[in-house]
Amino acid sequence: SQELEQSPQSLIVQEGKNLTINCTSSKTLYGLYWYKQKYGEGLIFLMMLQKGGEEKSHEKITAKLDEKKQQSSLHITASQPSHAGIYLCGADRGGTSYGKLTFGQGTILTVHP
Amino acid sequence: NAGVMQNPRHLVRRRGQEARLRCSPMKGHSHVYWYRQLPEEGLKFMVYLQKENIIDESGMPKERFSAEFPKEGPSILRIQQVVRGDSAAYFCASNQGSNQPQHFGDGTRLSIL
Repeated sequence: SQELEQSPQSLIVQEGKNLTINCTSSKTLYGLYWYKQKYGEGLIFLMMLQKGGEEKSHEKITAKLDEKKQQSSLHITASQPSHAGIYLCGADRGGTSYGKLTFGQGTILTVHP
Repeated sequence: NAGVMQNPRHLVRRRGQEARLRCSPMKGHSHVYWYRQLPEEGLKFMVYLQKENIIDESGMPKERFSAEFPKEGPSILRIQQVVRGDSAAYFCASNQGSNQPQHFGDGTRLSIL
């Protein structure tokens, strides 16, 4: 089983619609990172969450980390074709795993104009 | 500011040859991470290095793979006697410290003939 579960695996929306991607861990996280990847390219850092209940926004993207620090959601408001890509959550578990990230399988987002 | 630079972008090797992948971290970053992305397995951590030191190599295969980050010059991921299963995208990331966001390069796509 995956240490970090993302849902849905893929998502197709019409331009202008809102959407949410979830990332769930069975263990408490030290930090949670959201990245976006376009096919054949590297990962682009979106947001980092470290405190329980934390919420951050950048342009039309909002990310939240729950109080227990085991679940995060990424919400896109009024989606645009430029939002299309693969969204990955990455977890820093701290302790002896300090520094390295464990990634979810990714959510493939398609936005139709 | 230049981002994380990886080269080559694409590398083709025949079975049994050696592959050398290079990574220059962002300016001011002294922590480097290598990840491998296989088509059906997602992005997996390989090794975490600081200048002249390997901090965590728990994700590195026991044989044929090695990594270094010398005092001067880029970090190198070296794969000896490559096999078809080594075909993947290899990503390098860097940051200023292990509680800071990791910034990724565009990766090296390794193909084994």
